[in-house]
Amino acid sequence: DIQMTQSPSSLSASVGDRLTISCRASQNIQIYLNWYQQKPGKAPKLLVYAASSLQGGVPSRFSGSGFGTDFALTISSLQPEDFATYYCQQSYTNVFTFGPGTKVDIK
Amino acid sequence: EVQLVESGGGLVQPGGSLRLSCTASGIRFSNFWMSWVRQAPGKGLEWVANTKQDGGDKYYVDSVKGRFTISRDNAQNSLYLQMNSLRGEDTAVYYCASVAIATSGTPLDYWGQGTLVTVSS
Repeated sequence: DIQMTQSPSSLSASVGDRLTISCRASQNIQIYLNWYQQKPGKAPKLLVYAASSLQGGVPSRFSGSGFGTDFALTISSLQPEDFATYYCQQSYTNVFTFGPGTKVDIK
Repeated sequence: EVQLVESGGGLVQPGGSLRLSCTASGIRFSNFWMSWVRQAPGKGLEWVANTKQDGGDKYYVDSVKGRFTISRDNAQNSLYLQMNSLRGEDTAVYYCASVAIATSGTPLDYWGQGTLVTVSS
């Protein structure tokens, strides 16, 4: 099975900061990489699909990049509502896997 | 509006069984792969199982193979997860999600609100 790793596992940031979360796959997954945001007690929400396509309704301060094994989610200017946990997920195989998550909290 | 509504969670003893259901509305259910994803208390997301549109092909995470069965009834717009031989480590919120198979990247685009399964004596 494909293993997904994320870094950092957590970070503290301030409103207005630019931040980047990294995700790495254990083998080439082309662009079958998606990003989700989850807030406490809520279901995950799709942010970015196919590595760099923004899901409808998601603010343009979110962006995704990467191909193959290395990917990134960038938030250009952190807003109060962005404090959450972010997960990457691969769909290259029929057995999906999630990364362990990156928790973003307020500095 | 797309809605996925899970039900069937609860408290069950180790070794017991439980059947989760997920009812979909607002989507052409039969066009979608469907998934179950779980989240243990305070932990990350774990994909559990997938089923293709006709329910013929099914895929599972290794930890549930032989114990869990995913199935669907397209006429009822419903997805199921039969969970047998339950263990403490199966304690989690279980989410159903639709898989946008026709979308590049094949993301999980719609999610239910989740149902809590607690395995404890």
